[in-house]
Amino acid sequence: EPEVTQTPSHQVTQMGQEVILRCVPISNHLYFYWYRQILGQKVEFLVSFYNNEISEKSEIFDDQFSVERPDGSNFTLKIRSTKLEDSAMYFCASRPQGLEQYFGPGTRLTVL
Amino acid sequence: AQSVTQPDIHITVSEGASLELRCNYSYGATPYLFWYVQSPGQGLQLLLKYFSGDTLVQGIKGFEAEFKRSQSSFNLRKPSVHWSDAAEYFCAVGPQEGSNYKLTFGKGTLLTVNP
Repeated sequence: EPEVTQTPSHQVTQMGQEVILRCVPISNHLYFYWYRQILGQKVEFLVSFYNNEISEKSEIFDDQFSVERPDGSNFTLKIRSTKLEDSAMYFCASRPQGLEQYFGPGTRLTVL
Repeated sequence: AQSVTQPDIHITVSEGASLELRCNYSYGATPYLFWYVQSPGQGLQLLLKYFSGDTLVQGIKGFEAEFKRSQSSFNLRKPSVHWSDAAEYFCAVGPQEGSNYKLTFGKGTLLTVNP
C-alpha cells in the first residue's frame, strides 16, 4: 500500500540554522500539507500546497518558512533560521481529489 | 473559528473492556469528522471518517464512532479493547467547503491498556 514518507525521522540543529524537512507524498496525490505538533500540544496546520503554489497558510507560517515541490516526487519544508520554539514533530500529508489526508510518520525537529 | 476538544488526556482500560473516547467540536456548519490513531514512532493513521449519511460509522480495527449533531460530538468506541490498541487518538474536523480541507485537531487522548 502506498504511503507518505518523511526524512529524516529526527533532526537536531542549532538555533539560527536552516533546516529542510523532506516528504515524498503518495504519487497520484494532488494536495499537500504540513502540520506540526509541539510536545504536549495539538497538531496544528501550517500550510497547504496545490498546483505548485501555496493555497493556504496559517499565522504560524511566517517568512521563516517556505515550501517547495522541487520535482515530481518531493515536497519540502524549509525553516530559514530556526528558533527554540520551532522544536516540534512535523507531519507531511497528501490527498487525492477525495477528502482523506494520508499522513507521514513525522520528523522530530529539535532546536538547541 | 473551528475547534476540537478531547476532554480526556489519558485513559487507562483493561484488556477486553469497552472504550469510549470523547470528542466535541465547535464549527459553524457540519464539518467532516475524523479519528486518527498514532502508535509510537508511527504516523497518523485514519481510523474512520464521517462525511454525511448514517451517523454511526464503522472504521478499521473494530472501532466505530457516532456523530451527534445536537451535542456537537463524535465519540469513538470499541466494545473490547486489545493490548495493541494502546496509542494516542486524535479527533479532527475539516470544512465541507473550500478547496484546502485543512484539518483542525484535538490535543489527543493517550490510551493505556492493562493486561
